[in-house]
Order: sequence, then structure tokens, then C-alpha cells
Amino acid sequence: GAGVSQSPSNKVTEKGKDVELRCDPISGHTALYWYRQSLGQGLEFLIYFQGNSAPDKSGLPSDRFSAERTGGSVSTLTIQRTQQEDSAVYLCASSLEGTSGGSPYEQYFGPGTRLTVT
Amino acid sequence: GENVEQHPSTLSVQEGDSAVIKCTYSDSASNYFPWYKQELGKRPQLIIDIRSNVGEKKDQRIAVTLNKTAKHFSLHITETQPEDSAVYFCAAQYSTLTFGKGTMLLVSP
Repeated sequence: GAGVSQSPSNKVTEKGKDVELRCDPISGHTALYWYRQSLGQGLEFLIYFQGNSAPDKSGLPSDRFSAERTGGSVSTLTIQRTQQEDSAVYLCASSLEGTSGGSPYEQYFGPGTRLTVT
Repeated sequence: GENVEQHPSTLSVQEGDSAVIKCTYSDSASNYFPWYKQELGKRPQLIIDIRSNVGEKKDQRIAVTLNKTAKHFSLHITETQPEDSAVYFCAAQYSTLTFGKGTMLLVSP
């Protein structure tokens, strides 16, 4: 079946503008994660959705970042008043569930959105 | 929160040699340890994972070991090939994944 998809693949925006990044998880996956990967860096956790539970927002770097997940499927990551330091690749991942019996499921990553703030 | 340290940051080997990448974690509650391979410009792909009730797991040329007492785990690649060249990330998870900074592996023919 189809994997995780993200759009757009590339986004160039001016400093101060708002951007929305979209993630379509694998059908049937109830857990969805957002990560940020800066040039030459590892993956930084941003936010985690699991079913109808309140999202884990502990990784969001500032209140300019927010995310929604509508209908338990598609998710949108919004960055308001973008700054140059927001330039990075934003990766979305989904898994069948968050955990089962306390043990996590494998996460499948999307291709990412490369955000450039000029 | 969880902290994952990964070493080395870069690793160069000759084709056919073995490569070892080591990671340590801080949260004893972490119970899932995946390894991802990321080729340039591509998405991370899971290559092997291990859960805390297992000490070692092998899949062809790739093996992972876990020492829960010492809170460290390692990736072993034998008979390396040029196509193994990529950035490898370790991670530890209880509720969310925490990644290491990555190891750039270069396999020279």
C-alpha cells in the first residue's frame, strides 16, 4: 500500500510568513509523529498524536509551532511568523499504534518537506 | 527526558571490513531501540530494531546488541559494501523516539 506522504516537498517562504505542512499517514495507522531535521543534524521530535488522546507537544520549540490532526488521519504542522532558524527538513512518521503492551511499534517516515526561510 | 549519544560521528572503512556504531541512552524506561539508515536526500528507513527483552538480533549482515544494565546498544555491519554508505541513526523509545546525532558511514571500494 501507499506509504506516508507529505506536501509540499519543498517550500520557500519569507521571514515572518506563516507556513502549513501536510502529512498523510499510512491508512490504518493511529499514531503520527512530526520531527525536524536540520542540516547535518539528527532528528528532533516535535509532536506526537495517538488516536483521540491529547497530543504530546513536549518537543515543540516555541509557541509559533502548532499541529492538528483531523479525523484521526491527515495532520498539518503550522509554523507562524517563520524565522530563518526554522529552515530544516520536516519529517512526518506514522505507526500502527503508539505502543502495545508498553512496547512501541515501528515508525514509517514520509519523504519530508524541505522548508527554507529567506 | 531521554538522551541518546552516538559514536562515532563519521566512520570510514574499506569494502569487506566490519563497521560498528555505538549508542548510549539515559532513560531506563526505554524499551525499543531502532536503527535507521538515511541515504542522501532520502527518508530514514528502518534497518533493524531490538526490544528490551532481547540481547541480540541479527539480520543477514546486520546485527544489533543491547546491554540494558549499561544502557548501551550497538549496530554491527559485516562484509560492508559501498551501498552501505549512508548516515545511520540509533534511537531509543518509551513513548516517543529520541535519536542520536547520526554516524556517516563511508565504505570505500
